[in-house]
Amino acid sequence: AQSVAQPEDQVNVAEGNPLTVKCTYSVSGNPYLFWYVQYPNRGLQFLLKYITGDNLVKGSYGFEAEFNKSQTSFHLKKPSALVSDSALYFCAVRDKSFQKLVFGTGTRLLVSP
Amino acid sequence: DARVTQTPRDKVTEMGQEVTMRCQPILGHNTVFWYRQTMMQGLELLAYFRNRAPLDDSGMPKDRFSAEMPDATLATLKIQPSEPRDSAVYFCASGLGEMGGSYNEQFFGPGTRLTVL
Repeated sequence: AQSVAQPEDQVNVAEGNPLTVKCTYSVSGNPYLFWYVQYPNRGLQFLLKYITGDNLVKGSYGFEAEFNKSQTSFHLKKPSALVSDSALYFCAVRDKSFQKLVFGTGTRLLVSP
Repeated sequence: DARVTQTPRDKVTEMGQEVTMRCQPILGHNTVFWYRQTMMQGLELLAYFRNRAPLDDSGMPKDRFSAEMPDATLATLKIQPSEPRDSAVYFCASGLGEMGGSYNEQFFGPGTRLTVL
């Protein structure tokens, strides 16, 4: 079955520093990978997706993600973190049989001033 | 700015009462999902519709939960009878499904925070 793992419950970074939120995947066939962000008391918002093509995917709010097939990873990155980036981040993979997504457990990002 | 809307935003009820949550997907989207989010279990998929037909409700407790799409603009999730363990935030999401071979993202509503006393 398709699955993703987010090994860190929380990531702490200082404003202005680069950030990385990790995600590894396990799939049969080609992976279709997504990142979503959830701000407090809000629904999840789509950030970016990898379907095929360039391994570096650019998304909303200055985020990007690097697809690495050999390491089965899809880490979310941003060159310079903002306090407003503090939120819960979910990695997800498309289920092989349907359109539904399988979400990871989420990583809380805390950016300190 | 097209959005998924959900009502009510907050619901407090007593154990044993019926709860109905409503969702209006983005116009033109043919796929609707219901999720539940709790601190302990994280984000769980409860049910999923394509073109108003239920395709997967394996994540839903069948004895008390039911999900329907009476028309393309309304999806409902009903709990009867409700129990304290049902307390969670329930999200609806909609998407275009696999249109022309593309894999489209899901758009989430703001959620319904349910508290069952």
